[in-house]
Amino acid sequence: GQNIDQPTEMTATEGAIVQINCTYQTSGFNGLFWYQQHAGEAPTFLSYNVLDGLEEKGRFSSFLSRSKGYSYLLLKELQMKDSASYLCAHMDSNYQLIWGAGTKLIIKP
Amino acid sequence: DAGITQSPRHKVTETGTPVTLRCHQTENHRYMYWYRQDPGHGLRLIHYSYGVKDTDKGEVSDGYSVSRSKTEDFLLTLESATSSQTSVYFCAIRDTANTEAFFGQGTRLTVV
Repeated sequence: GQNIDQPTEMTATEGAIVQINCTYQTSGFNGLFWYQQHAGEAPTFLSYNVLDGLEEKGRFSSFLSRSKGYSYLLLKELQMKDSASYLCAHMDSNYQLIWGAGTKLIIKP
Repeated sequence: DAGITQSPRHKVTETGTPVTLRCHQTENHRYMYWYRQDPGHGLRLIHYSYGVKDTDKGEVSDGYSVSRSKTEDFLLTLESATSSQTSVYFCAIRDTANTEAFFGQGTRLTVV
């Protein structure tokens, strides 16, 4: 079967670094996405990894290990506006997106 | 931002009534999706379309039907609304099968 897990909630301090983990199990894999979703809004695309390694995009980086079924999203220099839910999704063999339940990130001053 | 709009944005309806939600895109993307989002669950796929008049079921399709008579519009119909269909519904579009999805602003549906 297919499964994807991420922590329900995390808390971090403004200016700090936080790592949000995502693990998945799938019979077919075509990449992993991270999205940001502010409360009451639509998810917005952050990153896509299909090969192992780290992809850096400004303050946000995403890492993938296909052999371990593991990804993380790294947020640096946290700002209050980063308070949101972060959704990971893997793309299965049929190119459908399988979504985790999301990690609610709370930033404290 | 991708040109994708959902209507209505909010709706309250009674149990047993039919409801249609509309998704309209101006990006000419081939793939369109309807998801529902509920607390404690990830986005769950209801139905999707891979072209005009080409649709298929997702994991939670019971009680829902869709139609796509032209590229830009994808309609989701709840044939007879139930309280379990109270949810936030998101439409998404993708240019190709392996690219990122862009989401509409969502429709909050309450079935009373």
